[in-house]
Amino acid sequence: GQQVMQIPQYQHVQEGEDFTTYCNSSTTLSNIQWYKQRPGGHPVFLIQLVKSGEVKKQKRLTFQFGEAKKNSSLHITATQTTDVGTYFCADPGFQKLVFGTGTRLLVSP
Amino acid sequence: SQTIHQWPATLVQPVGSPLSLECTVEGTSNPNLYWYRQAAGRGLQLLFYSVGIGQISSEVPQNLSASRPQDRQFILSSKKLLLSDSGFYLCAWSVHGNTEAFFGQGTRLTVV
Repeated sequence: GQQVMQIPQYQHVQEGEDFTTYCNSSTTLSNIQWYKQRPGGHPVFLIQLVKSGEVKKQKRLTFQFGEAKKNSSLHITATQTTDVGTYFCADPGFQKLVFGTGTRLLVSP
Repeated sequence: SQTIHQWPATLVQPVGSPLSLECTVEGTSNPNLYWYRQAAGRGLQLLFYSVGIGQISSEVPQNLSASRPQDRQFILSSKKLLLSDSGFYLCAWSVHGNTEAFFGQGTRLTVV
């Protein structure tokens, strides 16, 4: 079956450092979504990418969709303590929504 | 505006007891509905999804079942809970398969 893997599984950075999580699918994706889950909370939608090679920015967050539409990345510039949480990519697919394995980010002040 | 309600927030149940978790959505019609389970510190495992009343797709064989008796109501059930059923259960909805999903607050289930 389909697998959506993310690396790294966990990363601990100092505030101000950059952070990147990578998402890889075993199948070609139509779209890719990204969510953030704060500790103890529920996932919250961040963005959806649709086009091959697409790059979108939200303030310090940069999202990229691979040319082959099988991978994606999320880059955070100059992390802040408010960025703490787990970041998931997700394949919205035809009808079901499958999440990647997630990357847990810890930011120390 | 659309809202999603999921209850209870926490639940402690003995092994072998039944389970019923309910999720309702307001402000939209014919949503896609999803049940996920998240073990502590782990990812989101898709359990069931539904694209309409009475239409349930199961992703993982286990002792859980789901039902959609009404358009905006999604129920997760078990006849006999196992210790391994402990986790954080999340309900979500989307307009259709390629739009953002909105999650409920989740239910933390501990089976003892």
